[in-house]
Amino acid sequence: GQQVMQIPQYQHVQEGEDFTTYCNSSTTLSNIQWYKQRPGGHPVFLIQLVKSGEVKKQKRLTFQFGEAKKNSSLHITATQTTDVGTYFCAGYDYKLSFGAGTTVTVRA
Amino acid sequence: GAGVSQSPRYKVAKRGQDVALRCDPISGHVSLFWYQQALGQGPEFLTYFQNEAQLDKSGLPSDRFFAERPEGSVSTLKIQRTQQEDSAVYLCASSLGWESNEKLFFGSGTQLSVL
Repeated sequence: GQQVMQIPQYQHVQEGEDFTTYCNSSTTLSNIQWYKQRPGGHPVFLIQLVKSGEVKKQKRLTFQFGEAKKNSSLHITATQTTDVGTYFCAGYDYKLSFGAGTTVTVRA
Repeated sequence: GAGVSQSPRYKVAKRGQDVALRCDPISGHVSLFWYQQALGQGPEFLTYFQNEAQLDKSGLPSDRFFAERPEGSVSTLKIQRTQQEDSAVYLCASSLGWESNEKLFFGSGTQLSVL
């Protein structure tokens, strides 16, 4: 069945730095969604990508869907302490399957 | 309601005990999902309802797990004869429609600890 892999599992970032987290699927996806889960919280929807090669931006966050619709990335610029949390990608094949997430910590 | 509501927030069960977890989705949402989230892991799909119909239960780990949504609104996830490996956060999510591009709204989850 479909598997969604995320790397890295942990990302420790200096405040103000940029970083990227990657998501790869074993199958072609109809769409991919990104969620953020703050410590002790529940996943909250960030964005959805549908088209091959699609790029979407939300302030300092840039999301990209690969040309083959099997991978995606999230790039955060000028990391802030508010970016702390775990970022999950979720790929839709016939159901929404989540990756294991990238847990981001920020040092001031 | 304003969001997806789950109860109880925390549940401690003795091994072998039966538990029932409740989910109250956003009013009018057609689709309802149950996910299991182990510590440090992503949510793992358990089951999916479209209104009262359980269309996918492929993620239920054993026949000890049972879910229902009899009137197409509130859902209950029941775990019989709980085992220690059942300890996890159980997340419920709902979406407005049934299309693949629907975003999920998650509840705060029920943290189940089996002793």
